[in-house]
Amino acid sequence: QQPVQSPQAVILREGEDAVINCSSSKALYSVHWYRQKHGEAPVFLMILLKGGEQKGHEKISASFNEKKQQSSLYLTASQLSYSGTYFCGTDTNAGKSTFGDGTTLTVKP
Amino acid sequence: NAGVMQNPRHLVRRRGQEARLRCSPMKGHSHVYWYRQLPEEGLKFMVYLQKENIIDESGMPKERFSAEFPKEGPSILRIQQVVRGDSAAYFCASSPPGTGGNYEQYFGPGTRLTVT
Repeated sequence: QQPVQSPQAVILREGEDAVINCSSSKALYSVHWYRQKHGEAPVFLMILLKGGEQKGHEKISASFNEKKQQSSLYLTASQLSYSGTYFCGTDTNAGKSTFGDGTTLTVKP
Repeated sequence: NAGVMQNPRHLVRRRGQEARLRCSPMKGHSHVYWYRQLPEEGLKFMVYLQKENIIDESGMPKERFSAEFPKEGPSILRIQQVVRGDSAAYFCASSPPGTGGNYEQYFGPGTRLTVT
């Protein structure tokens, strides 16, 4: 079952902050975050593993609440280059990732 | 280190023809995933493969679609007797050896299939 992302869309001014949420109805082993620009491939941002290990982007942070089966991606002091669609992918330790429908972020000057 | 490579980047097929999409994972990666993406929609999982093995094909339609990842050469996603509804972007991703869920996936540029 695919995770649910919220909000569906966000519009920001440069320098503002945003939070994107990802919720699953199943127990999770890991959560992955990706950003996709129009017409391009998704690009890896961050992975959060059960137990607290994180690997990812220096300027982007995320949290993973294993009990609530939720993850949040924090984008601070947003830049124009942050615009795109953000996807979370969830893994129940079977190796297969299931992606949410995405959150479209638009950063305006 | 070359990234994930997919070819062709664009593929046009007439209804009833076959489409073959190729994916070469990053060097050292032994896990390959295929996803389908319709315009303005999310990534839909199709199949997860390791060398010579299909690990999970729960997202693959039962008919006309097949995938392989041979010992030598790229992974192939094959669609037989294509229909207009198969038109989409097909992305391949790879990850290093080990438990799939432990590692990030690196995506190829995608193949955009158009069925006329």
